[in-house]
Amino acid sequence: DAGITQSPRHKVTETGTPVTLRCHQTENHRYMYWYRQDPGHGLRLIHYSYGVKDTDKGEVSDGYSVSRSKTEDFLLTLESATSSQTSVYFCAISQGALNEKLFFGSGTQLSVL
Amino acid sequence: QKEVEQNSGPLSVPEGAIASLNCTYSDRGSQSFFWYRQYSGKSPELIMSIYSNGDKEDGRFTAQLNKASQYVSLLIRDSQPSDSATYLCAVSRDDKIIFGKGTRLHILP
Repeated sequence: DAGITQSPRHKVTETGTPVTLRCHQTENHRYMYWYRQDPGHGLRLIHYSYGVKDTDKGEVSDGYSVSRSKTEDFLLTLESATSSQTSVYFCAISQGALNEKLFFGSGTQLSVL
Repeated sequence: QKEVEQNSGPLSVPEGAIASLNCTYSDRGSQSFFWYRQYSGKSPELIMSIYSNGDKEDGRFTAQLNKASQYVSLLIRDSQPSDSATYLCAVSRDDKIIFGKGTRLHILP
C-alpha cells in the first residue's frame, strides 16, 4: 500500500456537468499520474505531475485538466463530461524517478449518462 | 506495429504447472520493464521489474528480458488458483511508460 486514496470510488453524472476526481497520497512522492482504463485500450495516461504546480499532458489529455497545489493532492477535472469519458480512472505514484515503478490507487468508476 | 503487444488470452494453465506470459515491444530505447497483476475490478499491482538482459527471480515469479529480440516474459511456477488474473506488461523509457493490453490467465483447479 503506497498510501494512495482516490475519491469518490464511484460516480454517476450527466453529460455536460463538471466532475473532479481526487487523488491523495501520504508519502510525499514527487511523481503522480492519472490513467484511464477501458476495454480494448488498456491503461492510457491522461496527465502527470512532477511536482507542485508542475504538470504535463499524456496521450489522452483532451477534455481533462489537472491541478496540484499541494504535494499530497492531485486533482483531475472533466470540465464538461461526455459519454466517451465513462471509464475507470486510476491515480498512481512512482517511487523515485519519472515512469519508474508505479503504484496505483483503488480507482474511480465514472459513468457519464 | 503496436508499441507493447501481449496475447489477450485467456491462457488456461493447470494448477501446479508453469504459466508463461509473453510481451514484445517496439521501442529499442526502452530501459525498464515491468509486470503488473490485475484482479477483476481491482487496480494493477506491481509484481516484477527487470532492467537488464537475463532472468530475475522472485519467489514463484521469474521475469526474462531479451533486448535484442525486444521480448520480455513472465514465468509463474507452481501456478495457483489465486494467480488467475490479467497480467499487464509495461515498458518504460525516460519520457513515457507504455502498457500492453494484458493477458488473462486462468488457472484450472
